[in-house]
Amino acid sequence: QKEVEQNSGPLSVPEGAIASLNCTYSDRGSQSFFWYRQYSGKSPELIMFIYSNGDKEDGRFTAQLNKASQYVSLLIRDSQPSDSATYLCAVNPTGNQFYFGTGTSLTVIP
Amino acid sequence: DAGVTQSPTHLIKTRGQQVTLRCSPKSGHDTVSWYQQALGQGPQFIFQYYEEEERQRGNFPDRFSGHQFPNYSSELNVNALLLGDSALYLCASSTGRNNEQFFGPGTRLTVL
Repeated sequence: QKEVEQNSGPLSVPEGAIASLNCTYSDRGSQSFFWYRQYSGKSPELIMFIYSNGDKEDGRFTAQLNKASQYVSLLIRDSQPSDSATYLCAVNPTGNQFYFGTGTSLTVIP
Repeated sequence: DAGVTQSPTHLIKTRGQQVTLRCSPKSGHDTVSWYQQALGQGPQFIFQYYEEEERQRGNFPDRFSGHQFPNYSSELNVNALLLGDSALYLCASSTGRNNEQFFGPGTRLTVL
């Protein structure tokens, strides 16, 4: 079982819609959770991090964490074509090692 | 405020050679982590350096080694290159534990 699992997609949504990206993790003791955006040929860019159960909002982005169910999600409201990218979920269980999922490819259709 | 920088941008080597990649962390950051990202995969943790010591290591062979300098910059060395070492090598800097990591632009290594 992989430490972090994501649906590889591709996920397609029309412009202006809500995109929902999901991630599950295996280590119940995980403390920190991160979402990165990676454009093709570029390096990952940090979008959001969340440490506590519940929702955390930043502009059009909302991260949701449910430690009991071991999942973390990212909602993108009012999706724009510029949001088309691969979204990586990263989990820091304990210690200093981060585990990344394989990423979900998102396409926003104008 | 300079972000994380890496050099070189691209590198082509042949099997059996050795390579050194370099990273300068974001200003104010003292921790450097190295990742390998194969095509279509997520980044895989190689190791992390803090206070000039390897603090944690992922599941990579001893051919992968590193170093951190007093100014917090870091090097990744890979010996006896294999075709499978072809990947994007990412450096990420941070400060403190359980803190957000910021990535550099990466070094694209091709092994022929």
